[in-house]
Amino acid sequence: QVQLQESGPGLVKPSQTLSLTCSVSGGSISSGVYYWTWIRQPPGKGLEWIGYIYYRGSTYYNPSLKSRVTISIDTSKNQFSLKLTSVTAADTAVYYCARLNGDYLNFWGQGALVTVSS
Amino acid sequence: SYELTQPLSVSVALGQSARITCGGDKFGSRSVHWYQQKPGQAPVLVIYRNTYRPSGIPERFSGSNSGNTATLTISRAQAGDEADYYCQVWDNSTAVFGTGTKVTVL
Repeated sequence: QVQLQESGPGLVKPSQTLSLTCSVSGGSISSGVYYWTWIRQPPGKGLEWIGYIYYRGSTYYNPSLKSRVTISIDTSKNQFSLKLTSVTAADTAVYYCARLNGDYLNFWGQGALVTVSS
Repeated sequence: SYELTQPLSVSVALGQSARITCGGDKFGSRSVHWYQQKPGQAPVLVIYRNTYRPSGIPERFSGSNSGNTATLTISRAQAGDEADYYCQVWDNSTAVFGTGTKVTVL
C-alpha cells in the first residue's frame, strides 16, 4: 500500500517561499503510471488543486497559481516537492500531496499545515 | 473558470439514505469523483469515474451522473459517515473540486 508524507516548515514569513516535500513509500515514484499532485485547503474552506508532475518532469499547474508555483521531482529519493513564492496570509492552508491515478486521487498524505505570518 | 455546485449541508436520519448532488455545466460528459473528509483528516476517495467504488469502501456508497448533476448516495447511513464530501472533475487539464457538503447523521 503506497503511503505519502508531507514535510517542511510549518511557519513561513510573508513574501518568502513556501517549500514542502512529499516522500512516497510502498511504491516507486518512477512507475510511469501515476502523476504526483499537490492540493491545499485553507482553514475551514474547500480543496484547491495546485498542480501535478510526472516522473519524467513534465508539470501542469493551476492557472491561478502558475506564476508562483514550481513542482519538482527527485526519483532517486522517491520524493517530489512544492515551492510557492511570494506567499501571503491567503496561502495559509493544509497542503496535501496525493497520487493521481489517471483522473482521480486515490492516495493522499496526511497533510501539512503551513501558516504564513510574520 | 469551471465551477461545481454542492449543497452546503445534508442531514440524514440514522439508517436512511443521503443524497449529495454536484452540479456543473455539461456534466454528463465528465467523469466525476467523490471524496470523503472527516475532521482533521485527509480526504479519502469513495467513488471514482461516476460509479466505481475503490476497494475497502462499503457498498452503501454509490454514485451516478446524468445531465448536469452527479449524485453521491449513502444508503443506510451510519454515524461514521458524518463528514464533508467533495466532488471533483477535470476542466482543461485542471482539477476542479466542488464546494463541499457537510453530511450530518441524526
